[in-house]
Amino acid sequence: SQTIHQWPATLVQPVGSPLSLECTVEGTSNPNLYWYRQAAGRGLQLLFYSVGIGQISSEVPQNLSASRPQDRQFILSSKKLLLSDSGFYLCAWSVLMGYGYTFGSGTRLTVV
Amino acid sequence: GNSVTQMEGPVTLSEEAFLTINCTYTATGYPSLFWYVQYPGEGLQLLLKATKADDKGSNKGFEATYRKETTSFHLEKGSVQVSDSAVYFCALSYEGNYQLIWGAGTKLIIKP
Repeated sequence: SQTIHQWPATLVQPVGSPLSLECTVEGTSNPNLYWYRQAAGRGLQLLFYSVGIGQISSEVPQNLSASRPQDRQFILSSKKLLLSDSGFYLCAWSVLMGYGYTFGSGTRLTVV
Repeated sequence: GNSVTQMEGPVTLSEEAFLTINCTYTATGYPSLFWYVQYPGEGLQLLLKATKADDKGSNKGFEATYRKETTSFHLEKGSVQVSDSAVYFCALSYEGNYQLIWGAGTKLIIKP
């Protein structure tokens, strides 16, 4: 069966520090991968999606970036965090576009 | 453009009460419709889905029917439990399209 792993679960980082969140999928090949952010008490914002290795599409201009170095690995990064980067970050995957996603358990990031 | 509108929360009910969370959408053609649930501190889980008009999705006692004529996909449950307390998201997507269009989420609080 397919599983998705996301870590760390919680993270507290100072302003200006770098960020690296990792997401891996098991049990499938060539998944579509997504990074979402959920601000406190708000809905979901799509940040990046990827349809293959090295292929990244950005939905929102910001100081975050994403990379897909391997088929089932998706990394969210920042060189310098801002206070506004605080939120709940969710990784997700899908086999076929348009048929819904499976989400990871999320990372709660607090920038202080 | 495409959009999803959910009833505002929080919705507060007593245990064993009947639940309805309204969801309406604006979209062209025939999107697929989804309900996701997010328990406190966790990622999102797909609760149920429907891919064509008049389909009924069901899971864990929850049901929703894809109503093309009223462009709705209301979530219902006959008897809620405290463990159903969560945030519920309605969403739509199209086959072959990477993006899910999300509602803002409805927080459900069930009191014993």
